[in-house]
Amino acid sequence: AAGVIQSPRHLIKEKRETATLKCYPIPRHDTVYWYQQGPGQDPQFLISFYEKMQSDKGSIPDRFSAQQFSDYHSELNMSSLELGDSALYFCASSPTVGAGTGETQYFGPGTRLLVL
Amino acid sequence: KNQVEQSPQSLIILEGKNCTLQCNYTVSPFSNLRWYKQDTGRGPVSLTIMTFSENTKSNGRYTATLDADTKQSSLHITASQLSDSASYICVVSLTGGGNKLTFGTGTQLKVEL
Repeated sequence: AAGVIQSPRHLIKEKRETATLKCYPIPRHDTVYWYQQGPGQDPQFLISFYEKMQSDKGSIPDRFSAQQFSDYHSELNMSSLELGDSALYFCASSPTVGAGTGETQYFGPGTRLLVL
Repeated sequence: KNQVEQSPQSLIILEGKNCTLQCNYTVSPFSNLRWYKQDTGRGPVSLTIMTFSENTKSNGRYTATLDADTKQSSLHITASQLSDSASYICVVSLTGGGNKLTFGTGTQLKVEL
């Protein structure tokens, strides 16, 4: 079965550079979530999109932005990178979110970002 | 203080043995509780999902229980295998929270021969 695809899988950037992470949800999933997981930490919710509109916002820095496109894939844009941005960035997708419907989120393999 | 606390933080068991992982949450209003398995460097994989009205849910050798009154959940793993070595994360979703998840601290399980 098709899973969530993330690219790139690994990314090395220097401080103050920009990075773009991509997420391709499971077919027919219209909701995408982004999470950041620092070394030895729990995943932290960043932002989510439903039908190309932002549906919820978590602890996403102002330096980051994201969007969901007409084909439902999503991109996380990160600017002015800092050392502390080094983390594993997960994307998850689910079918129509509803209001607390509890749809299972299916996670991608993650993009490991290293900022030097 | 984390709204989803898990114990133990880490656990080592022998292959074939059973184990139980605990989760206590304070997240409110509560919608559903999930258990995820996360291999190092990989995305979390859903094991079970329970609403507040469900007391137990099984998935193969994994059985999750939920007590919404005491806000406690457990994940019981039967006849452990080496491939069960991973981090097990309890995740709670808020009612009306747009399916936003609050992740627990995780239990690192290692299964040895």
